[in-house]
Amino acid sequence: KQEVTQIPAALSVPEGENLVLNCSFTDSAIYNLQWFRQDPGKGLTSLLLIQSSQREQTSGRLNASLDKSSGRSTLYIAASQPGDSATYLCAVLSNDYKLSFGAGTTVTVRA
Amino acid sequence: DADVTQTPRNRITKTGKRIMLECSQTKGHDRMYWYRQDPGLGLRLIYYSFDVKDINKGEISDGYSVSRQAQAKFSLSLESAIPNQTALYFCATSVGDIQYFGAGTRLSVL
Repeated sequence: KQEVTQIPAALSVPEGENLVLNCSFTDSAIYNLQWFRQDPGKGLTSLLLIQSSQREQTSGRLNASLDKSSGRSTLYIAASQPGDSATYLCAVLSNDYKLSFGAGTTVTVRA
Repeated sequence: DADVTQTPRNRITKTGKRIMLECSQTKGHDRMYWYRQDPGLGLRLIYYSFDVKDINKGEISDGYSVSRQAQAKFSLSLESAIPNQTALYFCATSVGDIQYFGAGTRLSVL
């Protein structure tokens, strides 16, 4: 069974600082890994998707890396802003098309 | 993007009541999913369906049932609600490797 762990569970930084969010998974047989953003009481918004054959993906201030062999992914958010405050979820898609989620990292960016 | 609509958005019910959560999507995706989210536990898969005739249990299906009435509709039922089913419920559809989520239904069982 795929287990996904996110560390830290919560993070508070001053505006402008770079954010580093970590995700680890136990089974390296994955199709892809996806990072989502969730605002309080809201649904999930997909931020980045990395295919198993890729090492990283970038979108604006966001960069996600994937090391499939070691079961790790890192989401970097450059020059954080208060609007980046949210919970960030990591999810891996396994070969049976099931998505396994981590518990999330709750980010607070202080103005 | 897929338009995934969940109804109701919020629901309060009593222990022992039967309740149905509904999900519809407008893009004709074959795959649909139901998840629940509890604080500190992330999302967990309840049921999933890869087409109208295909229904599969996820990791926490006990106490739940589903119905795929059409390609666009996937309903989740709690036959006899209990307090530990209080959670945020999400429906999702997928095309290719990407899943698209509804806004969620917040359910409270008293």
